[in-house]
Amino acid sequence: DIVMTQSPDSLTVSLGERATINCKSSQSVLYRSNNKNYLAWYQQKPGQPPKLLIYWASTRESGVPDRFSGSGSGTDFTLTISSLQAEDVAVYYCHQYYSTPLTFGGGTKVEIK
Amino acid sequence: EVQLWESGGGLVLPGGSLRLSCAASGFTFSNYAMSWVRQVPGKGLEWVSAITGSGGTTNYIDSVKGRFTISRDNSKNTLFLQMNSLRAEDTAIYFCVKDGLKTSPNYFDYWGQGTLVTVSS
Repeated sequence: DIVMTQSPDSLTVSLGERATINCKSSQSVLYRSNNKNYLAWYQQKPGQPPKLLIYWASTRESGVPDRFSGSGSGTDFTLTISSLQAEDVAVYYCHQYYSTPLTFGGGTKVEIK
Repeated sequence: EVQLWESGGGLVLPGGSLRLSCAASGFTFSNYAMSWVRQVPGKGLEWVSAITGSGGTTNYIDSVKGRFTISRDNSKNTLFLQMNSLRAEDTAIYFCVKDGLKTSPNYFDYWGQGTLVTVSS
């Protein structure tokens, strides 16, 4: 099984500042034949289901604000919120879909300072 | 607009059974793989099972193999999860999720609101 490790567990950032969340996979999720990283990011607000933000490690889902960006390849990935807004308070999860069992990171809680 | 609506959750005794359903609309259901993902309230996400668009291929996490069965009725745009021999550790919110592409496995682009399953005596 591919283990996904997120850091930090929680993050407190001032409004308008940058938030950076890291995700490391126990093995590469880069599929060489198509050069795609099978890595997605989700946002979950209290009482709501998760919402897809990023897939293929860096492709923003339609309608997601451009302050959200994903980067990385192989085993190391980053979700960046360039200018934190109040509505970004949530838990963020990374997810590998390279192989079954599909697995998620433990989550990173983002709060406002 | 894509909509996924789960039902069938509730309180069940250890060793009991439940059948979850997920009614889908707003997309061509048979073209997409579907999954169930669960979440203990306040905790992280755990993928449980997936099924291809045709229903011909299924996958499960090891902890539910032999106890849970995923299926679908493409004529009724409905996904199911039959859960037998339920254990306390199966207690969670169960989300019905749609795959983002026609191939599987891949990322999940739509999630239902979830249905709570509580296994307790």
